[in-house]
Amino acid sequence: GAVVSQHPSWVICKSGTSVKIECRSLDFQATTMFWYRQFPKQSLMLMATSNEGSKATYEQGVEKDKFLINHASLTLSTLTVTSAHPEDSSFYICSARDRVVNTEAFFGQGTRLTVV
Amino acid sequence: AQSVTQPDIHITVSEGASLELRCNYSYGATPYLFWYVQSPGQGLQLLLKYFSGDTLVQGIKGFEAEFKRSQSSFNLRKPSVHWSDAAEYFCAGAGTAGNMLTFGGGTRLMVKP
Repeated sequence: GAVVSQHPSWVICKSGTSVKIECRSLDFQATTMFWYRQFPKQSLMLMATSNEGSKATYEQGVEKDKFLINHASLTLSTLTVTSAHPEDSSFYICSARDRVVNTEAFFGQGTRLTVV
Repeated sequence: AQSVTQPDIHITVSEGASLELRCNYSYGATPYLFWYVQSPGQGLQLLLKYFSGDTLVQGIKGFEAEFKRSQSSFNLRKPSVHWSDAAEYFCAGAGTAGNMLTFGGGTRLMVKP
């Protein structure tokens, strides 16, 4: 149980285009999902917290207009990197908290984004 | 502010030797603490977690960690390291159950044959 699936696992896109990353809780409902970013050889930093049916809360320094987060259902949150640039190349990881057993959040496998 | 610190950026041990990776936390109350392992280009795998109760926590792959409130530490240990343990290890904490995690900077473990 407690499986979180991210799609795609890796993506290469051209500079200026937009990329959507999906985070799905497969066997539980998640009212809250978290999006993290990890630059090469660095730790994970929280980007935003998304709650189902409401606007995401962004961490300081994260551009909400560039990183669009939608959490339209209890099993799906999406992160769209708009007008991507090479400096957005990173590893993006989501985690989802079970609505019922909410003691921890479970991580997806991550998405490696390369912007060329 | 809440924080998690891993003092060692790199650690090298010989295969078969014991291992201890350090983690210190700064939280107002007892945090929820986690250790994850990440292989290159991969996602995170949960090794173990501490919420409350017994301060010595057993995890997968032969790892254990001990919560020490007096030292604000949650160090990860393994009695005998295998070459396959070479990876990046992250300690993380949350102030409340199920909340977002604050990660330490990570410790890269290298294993000598």
